[in-house]
This record gives sequence, C-alpha cells and structure tokens, in this order.
Amino acid sequence: GESVGLHLPTLSVQEGDNSIINCAYSNSASDYFIWYKQESGKGPQFIIDIRSNMDKRQGQRVTVLLNKTVKHLSLQIAATQPGDSAVYFCAEIPRTGGFKTIFGAGTRLFVKA
Amino acid sequence: KAGVTQTPRYLIKTRGQQVTLSCSPISGHRSVSWYQQTPGQGLQFLFEYFSETQRNKGNFPGRFSGRQFSNSRSEMNVSTLELGDSALYLCASSLGTPGTEAFFGQGTRLTVV
Repeated sequence: GESVGLHLPTLSVQEGDNSIINCAYSNSASDYFIWYKQESGKGPQFIIDIRSNMDKRQGQRVTVLLNKTVKHLSLQIAATQPGDSAVYFCAEIPRTGGFKTIFGAGTRLFVKA
Repeated sequence: KAGVTQTPRYLIKTRGQQVTLSCSPISGHRSVSWYQQTPGQGLQFLFEYFSETQRNKGNFPGRFSGRQFSNSRSEMNVSTLELGDSALYLCASSLGTPGTEAFFGQGTRLTVV
C-alpha cells in the first residue's frame, strides 16, 4: 500500500483503550474543522467535523474537542480497534470564499491487538 | 452514488515530460480541489476549481495547472516534470459552500524517473 508519511508522529495504543490525537491549527479565522482518516492505499476519509461555534461534538465512538483559545483540536476514539489503525489528519477551512483546506501533518495510529 | 474517480491510478513519467491527471467528482458537486501528498511534506493544497473557475490557489510553481469543465470534471497538468514531483495526487470534491465536507478519490500515484 501507499506510505502516507514515513516520519509522522506516532501513537501506539492497546486494542480496547481510548486514543487521543492532537492537532494545533494555525488560522484564527478558520471556522470549520474536519478530522480525516487515511488508510494505506486510500484517499482521506471524513470522520467528524466541528464548527467554531462549538467546543465539542460526538459521533459514533469519536469525539472532537475544539479549544479556540489555544487553537487546538483533538480527536478522541473510544475503545480503539485494529481497524482504527491509520493516519489521522486534522483540517481547517479558513473563512474565505473558497474551499481551501489546510491539513495538519498527520498522526499515525497503531493499534496493538 | 458513485464516489470521486481519479485516473489513472498509477503513472510513470520521465523528467522533462508533462502529465495530465483526471478527476470526476461526485454528481452534483461543483468544487474540485487538488492536493499533493508526499512523505516529507504531507498534504499540500494545489488549487480549487468551482464552476469552471479557479477559486483558490496554493503555493506551487506555474508548472502546475488545472482546469474544470462544464460537467465539473477536472484535470490537472504538470509540465516539465521534476523528480520531486513524484507524489500521490489527490482530488477532492464538495458542494463548495462553507461548512461542507470534501470527499477524496483514491489518488494518482505519479513517479518521475
């Protein structure tokens, strides 16, 4: 499969544990944030999003937290499973007329069975 | 509903040649964005097209260009290829309005030799 990033920050967790992936964004004018998951050989896949007027949003087994004061975004995955192993990217979309999405560097998540 | 389709999946070119990559967005999506993904630089935004007009542009040299057709299909062209252009090129389609997610294709793996 594709090698998404050979030198990415890596998080290794035991199956069943909770995972927390962090991201710092750069543009205070961004008002929409997305977490993407990229498995080997595939394009990024949408996981969950959050708008700047919220500080928390929950999905199925995932929660995104937004701290605008320190420009920090986190993704929490509950009861991590082997299928969660992938590279996770946070993305910010500045408040501009277009759809210029700025991606973070990515974090590789390894889930140990 | 068909997803985002990129062709070809794999391509090998020689330095100095040019290449054209194609992206067919999800039906009804008017925005197509292109990204370059390399292990060292992560996901870098190239440009975004909306209704046949380039709406956003990243920081890439003029050798990288694109266009969008009336049916929203988009092509990306790279002229005078360099070894450093070897990368996974991803296309994403969206409705193009603020706060809407982008759906990615599988990408085209370009290798320049």
